[in-house]
Amino acid sequence: EAGVAQSPRYKIIEKRQSVAFWCNPISGHATLYWYQQILGQGPKLLIQFQNNGVVDDSQLPKDRFSAERLKGVDSTLKIQPAKLEDSAVYLCASSFGDGLTNYGYTFGSGTRLTVV
Amino acid sequence: DQQVKQNSPSLSVQEGRISILNCDYTNSMFDYFLWYKKYPAEGPTFLISISSIKDKNEDGRFTVFLNKSAKHLSLHIVPSQPGDSAVYFCAASAGYNDMRFGAGTRLTVKP
Repeated sequence: EAGVAQSPRYKIIEKRQSVAFWCNPISGHATLYWYQQILGQGPKLLIQFQNNGVVDDSQLPKDRFSAERLKGVDSTLKIQPAKLEDSAVYLCASSFGDGLTNYGYTFGSGTRLTVV
Repeated sequence: DQQVKQNSPSLSVQEGRISILNCDYTNSMFDYFLWYKKYPAEGPTFLISISSIKDKNEDGRFTVFLNKSAKHLSLHIVPSQPGDSAVYFCAASAGYNDMRFGAGTRLTVKP
């Protein structure tokens, strides 16, 4: 079974620039998550999709962050404009998510963003 | 709000000994708890889980204990091996949504 694919692996941008991350979840996984992991902290949920609908985006800074999951498969996360404090690893995860049982999430390797 | 806390940022044990990683939570609505393991430059990988209806779950060398009254869970690794050296994250969720993670504990197993 192929894992969760993310690209790029690394990205360095200047503040106020824009950046986009891509995620391809495990085939058949209906639920997709974007997490932000700042150095020394645990992952923090930014947004959760169920198929192509948003389930939870309460912790997404909507003035600069946006995410979409067209056709309920791939997802992109965008930051525009970036701030220094956005430097973090952005993790995508997916799960079977049948609404009844927590099967745990499968994470991608993440995208390490450095804003200078 | 830090609903899941791992108060020990690091732990060092000798190979063959027991490793005990601890986690505390504050939200009484959490009913599912997981441990993830993370190697450098990789995403976290699922290790073991426990639901709130149990107080112990065992999988090979890994055992998770849940004390609901104390809002505390722990991960025991016996015997510890050098390949277990990684960052371990405790996570909790209410239902299957919105999993909250602790800050992680870096385990080093010395040969």
